Amino acid sequence: AQSVAQPEDQVNVAEGNPLTVKCTYSVSGNPYLFWYVQYPNRGLQFLLKYITGDNLVKGSYGFEAEFNKSQTSFHLKKPSALVSDSALYFCAVRGSGTYKYIFGTGTRLKVLA
Amino acid sequence: EAQVTQNPRYLITVTGKKLTVTCSQNMNHEYMSWYRQDPGLGLRQIYYSMNVEVTDKGDVPEGYKVSRKEKRNFPLILESPSPNQTSLYFCASSSNGQLYGYTFGSGTRLTVV
Repeated sequence: AQSVAQPEDQVNVAEGNPLTVKCTYSVSGNPYLFWYVQYPNRGLQFLLKYITGDNLVKGSYGFEAEFNKSQTSFHLKKPSALVSDSALYFCAVRGSGTYKYIFGTGTRLKVLA
Repeated sequence: EAQVTQNPRYLITVTGKKLTVTCSQNMNHEYMSWYRQDPGLGLRQIYYSMNVEVTDKGDVPEGYKVSRKEKRNFPLILESPSPNQTSLYFCASSSNGQLYGYTFGSGTRLTVV
């Protein structure tokens, strides 16, 4: 069965520091991996995806994520956090042989000025 | 503007009174899906549709119905709403088997009393 784990409910980081939001997954076959961000009272917005190829993928707003097949992880990173990055972040996965798309429980990122 | 439009944004209803939440997309996407978002549970898939007249159950389909008579529309029907269906609902669409990520609607906050 497919599953996604976001082990941290909340991550706090000081503005200007690097940030990491963790995600691990379990799927059959090759994974398709995604990160989304949700601002208050808004729908989710697509940030980036890994389908195949380079393990480091770059996305919107300066975010990037590293696919690690051996650790079944897809952590979201940003070199220098902004207060405006404060939001709820969701990791999602889909196995290559299915249309089912599973979201994690979300991690709230708080960037402190 | 490319978008997914959900209506209504907010709805308070009584137990047992049938309701429909509409969802429409203007991007000619084949794939559409409904999710509910609950605190601590993340997003859970209710139903999805791969194309017109092709739908399938997600992880939490009980108490919901959907239809896909036209490519652009994917309404969510609650025949007899109950208080445990109080939630935040999102419609999402994607092209090409979701390899490009979802576009989400703004959400419908439903309260069943």
